[in-house]
Amino acid sequence: DGGITQSPKYLFRKEGQNVTLSCEQNLNHDAMYWYRQDPGQGLRLIYYSQIVNDFQKGDIAEGYSVSREKKESFPLTVTSAQKNPTAFYLCASQGAGELFFGEGSRLTVL
Amino acid sequence: SQQGEEDPQALSIQEGENATMNCSYKTSINNLQWYRQNSGRGLVHLILIRSNEREKHSGRLRVTLDTSKKSSSLLITASRAADTASYFCATVKSSGGSYIPTFGRGTSLIVHP
Repeated sequence: DGGITQSPKYLFRKEGQNVTLSCEQNLNHDAMYWYRQDPGQGLRLIYYSQIVNDFQKGDIAEGYSVSREKKESFPLTVTSAQKNPTAFYLCASQGAGELFFGEGSRLTVL
Repeated sequence: SQQGEEDPQALSIQEGENATMNCSYKTSINNLQWYRQNSGRGLVHLILIRSNEREKHSGRLRVTLDTSKKSSSLLITASRAADTASYFCATVKSSGGSYIPTFGRGTSLIVHP
């Protein structure tokens, strides 16, 4: 089936560790996005990519990094520089103007 | 920065009643979209309305857009318990050739059976 696959669904991290969240799509979409969701905050844009080998910072990029080496893949690394990384992370791709979301990854820092 | 703001933040109704949620935004847009999110899940696209459109329908959903007031509303008619979810508006405007959706904080809808 076509769609967006995020993994892992749940992830626990110790302070000071980097973690990478996976996002894969088979919808043949050029544009992909990473959002962060906190309770009561809605979705905030971390990074986006309009095409392979190119990406742009969103509103809250500090402490995060991404890569876009393949059209299908847009992994997000949460680095130790991110001071408050506990959140729900959502990946999406864009086609015909609308966003298609994965099921999210919940990161908890212990 | 969050462009759209939904109102109310929370809405509780009985099955069969209509639910209306509003979204206000600050700058001009290309289109506005509504999404639904069940607890702990990803968002699902409901409907897209372009800046030159005033109203769109999809099943029990009716969306209006008033660009002069910079506001949109989502009406769910004859609500069902299964409509219980959070609903988000996303405004889309052009930025250097890109069309980046910006989300509001959402409206939490509870439909009591």
